[in-house]
Amino acid sequence: DTGVSQDPRHKITKRGQNVTFRCDPISEHNRLYWYRQTLGQGPEFLTYFQNEAQLEKSRLLSDRFSAERPKGSFSTLEIQRTEQGDSAMYLCASSRRLAGGGTDTQYFGPGTRLTVL
Amino acid sequence: GNSVTQMEGPVTLSEEAFLTINCTYTATGYPSLFWYVQYPGEGLQLLLKATKADDKGSNKGFEATYRKETTSFHLEKGSVQVSDSAVYFCALRNTGNQFYFGTGTSLTVIP
Repeated sequence: DTGVSQDPRHKITKRGQNVTFRCDPISEHNRLYWYRQTLGQGPEFLTYFQNEAQLEKSRLLSDRFSAERPKGSFSTLEIQRTEQGDSAMYLCASSRRLAGGGTDTQYFGPGTRLTVL
Repeated sequence: GNSVTQMEGPVTLSEEAFLTINCTYTATGYPSLFWYVQYPGEGLQLLLKATKADDKGSNKGFEATYRKETTSFHLEKGSVQVSDSAVYFCALRNTGNQFYFGTGTSLTVIP
């Protein structure tokens, strides 16, 4: 078990460009979460998947953001037409769905730091 | 709505001092409550959790009790060490499996 991995770790882009981040969860975890964290703040929930189904989306997730988890394993988060306000750390976490519908411990990845110039 | 409010930092303590970091929450339904820790240069890690009222979570000498009547989940440790220096986040998980985090409290323990 290598933990949750994210790629890239850092991304610098110019305003207006599209960016895509990848998250590989722990292999037996069927739930996957995306968060955004800005300096001095806690992580803000963006969206979560159970297997390949996207079950919840935050109002923070504007139309420029889209997330997929096509085969219920890795996930991608794409931001189109990036803005300077998108600069943040993007965190991914995964967990198992427990019998009865609960959620086991979330394990976080190291994050992707996005800087939009 | 759902939200978490935690004590602002930074907090600086001497080694072996008593630690309290306050956390209160607002939630609909019956949330689960968590404390996460982020050590310098590392990702978020679960420290402890409590899933129902009056539960006490504990780990590495840290404790927190889920108090429904005061909507609180304060983190305590009787004797902090330099290695406890980190940022601590209080969080709740609602019945829809969405997580809400506080803004974090930075703790520095000096020898």
